[in-house]
Amino acid sequence: NAGVTQTPKFQVLKTGQSMTLQCAQDMNHNSMYWYRQDPGMGLRLIYYSASEGTTDKGEVPNGYNVSRLNKREFSLRLESAAPSQTSVYFCASSETGSGGYTFGSGTRLTVV
Amino acid sequence: GQQVMQIPQYQHVQEGEDFTTYCNSSTTLSNIQWYKQRPGGHPVFLIQLVKSGEVKKQKRLTFQFGEAKKNSSLHITATQTTDVGTYFCAGPSGGSYIPTFGRGTSLIVHP
Repeated sequence: NAGVTQTPKFQVLKTGQSMTLQCAQDMNHNSMYWYRQDPGMGLRLIYYSASEGTTDKGEVPNGYNVSRLNKREFSLRLESAAPSQTSVYFCASSETGSGGYTFGSGTRLTVV
Repeated sequence: GQQVMQIPQYQHVQEGEDFTTYCNSSTTLSNIQWYKQRPGGHPVFLIQLVKSGEVKKQKRLTFQFGEAKKNSSLHITATQTTDVGTYFCAGPSGGSYIPTFGRGTSLIVHP
């Protein structure tokens, strides 16, 4: 099993450009999440989806949108990238309300 | 809002020494999870504790959940270079199932 697959692994954007980070899981988990990780800040939740068809804001949602395309896929969109969005982005999935999270390998995004 | 604090932020040890990281929450947690992230890697789930006072072991790693379910610790006995990484705790509170992550403790093991 692949677990949680994220694409792309690396991306450089110019300020104002848009892009979508893709995430897919093959563990039949109901819940999916997007986190960003900045040095010394730990993991901060951007958005999450408790089940197919639902999405909710996390701690730092400004500047992002998400789509839960189906049970397997949860994408994160930056409509107009800003240098403050330079970060490592992790997608994760879990059974809702139980067990640990399975993380993808991350997307390293630089906005110049 | 809920805060999860981890100390220390960094810990340097000589190979073979013991290591402990502590996790403290401002609110009661329904459970506590621990993750390990190798340098350049992604967080990997280690364990979940649910019961007050619970202690679990994984080889050289011992995890404890406090009696009040507001703190936890991870102890590594006789560290090895393969233990290098950042250890995160995470726990949900207030009826939410979404855990708040601590900022992590980075372990550096000197051979």
